[in-house]
Amino acid sequence: SQTIHQWPATLVQPVGSPLSLECTVEGTSNPNLYWYRQAAGRGLQLLFYSVGIGQISSEVPQNLSASRPQDRQFILSSKKLLLSDSGFYLCAWSKGLGPMGTEAFFGQGTRLTVV
Amino acid sequence: GQQVMQIPQYQHVQEGEDFTTYCNSSTTLSNIQWYKQRPGGHPVFLIQLVKSGEVKKQKRLTFQFGEAKKNSSLHITATQTTDVGTYFCAGLGSSNTGKLIFGQGTTLQVKP
Repeated sequence: SQTIHQWPATLVQPVGSPLSLECTVEGTSNPNLYWYRQAAGRGLQLLFYSVGIGQISSEVPQNLSASRPQDRQFILSSKKLLLSDSGFYLCAWSKGLGPMGTEAFFGQGTRLTVV
Repeated sequence: GQQVMQIPQYQHVQEGEDFTTYCNSSTTLSNIQWYKQRPGGHPVFLIQLVKSGEVKKQKRLTFQFGEAKKNSSLHITATQTTDVGTYFCAGLGSSNTGKLIFGQGTTLQVKP
């Protein structure tokens, strides 16, 4: 069966510090991978998505970046965090494209507080 | 770019009342998906609609996909306290990009 691991669960970081959130998927190959951010009480904002190794699409210009060094690994990074980067970060995976695209499976999320 | 709008943002109902949330996309969708997020949790998949005009039911939940594949709705009959949470629609674009855009969600509160 497929599983998705996202860590850490919670993180408190000072303004200006770097960030690295990691997400890995097991039990499937060539998944679509996503990073979403959810502000408190708000919807899911798509940050990055990837349909293959080295293919990263950015949705919102910001001081975050994403990388996919391996097929089932997706990393969200920042060189210098801002207060506005606080939020609930969710990694997700799915399979297929277009009408054959399947549902997304989410990790448990990382609650990031920038202080 | 592709946008998915969802209304209302919040809904408070008395237990036993019905509830509906609506989703509209700025572009034609390959499919529409619905998710439920409980407080403090992550979104969990409920259902996927692919065909124009498709209607699917899960017990008290009825999901519809519009004829033009640009809008959808979720209707809950006779709400229960276990229905509390935020309901999101998510649209997969018609081009093969893998881009999955979520609506803002509708948070449902049910008073017992």
